[in-house]
Amino acid sequence: EPEVTQTPSHQVTQMGQEVILRCVPISNHLYFYWYRQILGQKVEFLVSFYNNEISEKSEIFDDQFSVERPDGSNFTLKIRSTKLEDSAMYFCATQSQWGNSPLHFGNGTRLTVT
Amino acid sequence: GENVEQHPSTLSVQEGDSAVIKCTYSDSASNYFPWYKQELGKRPQLIIDIRSNVGEKKDQRIAVTLNKTAKHFSLHITETQPEDSAVYFCAATQNYGGSQGNLIFGKGTKLSVKP
Repeated sequence: EPEVTQTPSHQVTQMGQEVILRCVPISNHLYFYWYRQILGQKVEFLVSFYNNEISEKSEIFDDQFSVERPDGSNFTLKIRSTKLEDSAMYFCATQSQWGNSPLHFGNGTRLTVT
Repeated sequence: GENVEQHPSTLSVQEGDSAVIKCTYSDSASNYFPWYKQELGKRPQLIIDIRSNVGEKKDQRIAVTLNKTAKHFSLHITETQPEDSAVYFCAATQNYGGSQGNLIFGKGTKLSVKP
């Protein structure tokens, strides 16, 4: 079964540094999402992306965050200047173009900001 | 915006017993309600979902019920097994066109099934 692939699996960075989290969607999927999960808490929606633009974002997704699909395959989440509270598991999820299809989550990137 | 409440936060059952997890949602426009199972350190995995045009859906030992009037939905697991032990999340969203929109998750229920 095709999978959503995320890299790296674990990223450690210092406060104030920029990080880029990468996701390779399932090949025929057109809708892309980022979610985050702080340790022991619920999964929270960050942003949805379709047709090369953001379609919806949550209040968590402030100016420090950005997403893009630079080469038509990778889907990236950039955090410009990381804060301690950005430490979390970040999940990419993708969805096909067919109506009512489910989300497929990647294995996540654990981001640790020190 | 949508708000999803989930209860209980922890649930311990004996193997073979049934487990029920309940969620309420606030936005009457929500029409898609998936349930995810998350094992420690792993991705959330969809186990069952229901749309607002049906009241109940069953898949082997797992069933979900939806009461649109009361705005609540429940997950039922029968004949529980130790491998059912995990954190279960409910979620709700509006489904428009091909997109699920954003999923608003509940806080999760940690299910422990004791052999």
